[in-house]
Amino acid sequence: ETGVTQSPTHLIKTRGQQVTLRCSSQSGHNTVSWYQQALGQGPQFIFQYYREEENGRGNFPPRFSGLQFPNYSSELNVNALELDDSALYLCASSYSQGMAGELFFGEGSRLTVL
Amino acid sequence: DQQVKQNSPSLSVQEGRISILNCDYTNSMFDYFLWYKKYPAEGPTFLISISSIKDKNEDGRFTVFLNKSAKHLSLHIVPSQPGDSAVYFCAARKYNNNDMRFGAGTRLTVKP
Repeated sequence: ETGVTQSPTHLIKTRGQQVTLRCSSQSGHNTVSWYQQALGQGPQFIFQYYREEENGRGNFPPRFSGLQFPNYSSELNVNALELDDSALYLCASSYSQGMAGELFFGEGSRLTVL
Repeated sequence: DQQVKQNSPSLSVQEGRISILNCDYTNSMFDYFLWYKKYPAEGPTFLISISSIKDKNEDGRFTVFLNKSAKHLSLHIVPSQPGDSAVYFCAARKYNNNDMRFGAGTRLTVKP
């Protein structure tokens, strides 16, 4: 059973650019959530995907968008990057959407915006 | 708006002693609470959870206590071990809601 994997692990972009982060969910999981963790803070919910559709969104602007594919893998896209977007982006998978169960996190993609 | 707060950024305890990590929340609609542990260069991993219908849940060395009237929960680790040294995040959610709120974390150091 493979866990949640994310790519790339580190990347550097400049302000105004666009970035795509990728996530493969744990085997058997059909739901993917994305979180942003700024330095010294806890993870903040960006959005969740269930059966290829967005299923809930946190307080993030529309330039944060995502996709989920039939194999339940997912992408997070951020357009028009700003300096404050520098953070660790965590992907988490789970068995179902609204569950009471725990999330299984990947190692994260650390984005630096210059 | 920070609905889950961990007011102690760090905690240091001696091996074999008890570690107590605290968490407060403001949203009375939260009814499920979790603790995650995070080592450097790894994603958070689930540790233990508790539903609002309980006031205690125990799993080996780890026990979580929930005080709904005070909107407070705590994680007890007994006995603490050096391998427990990590950042601990408290998280809360409303049942059937996918927006899990996290605290800022407490860095626990267990000294040999």
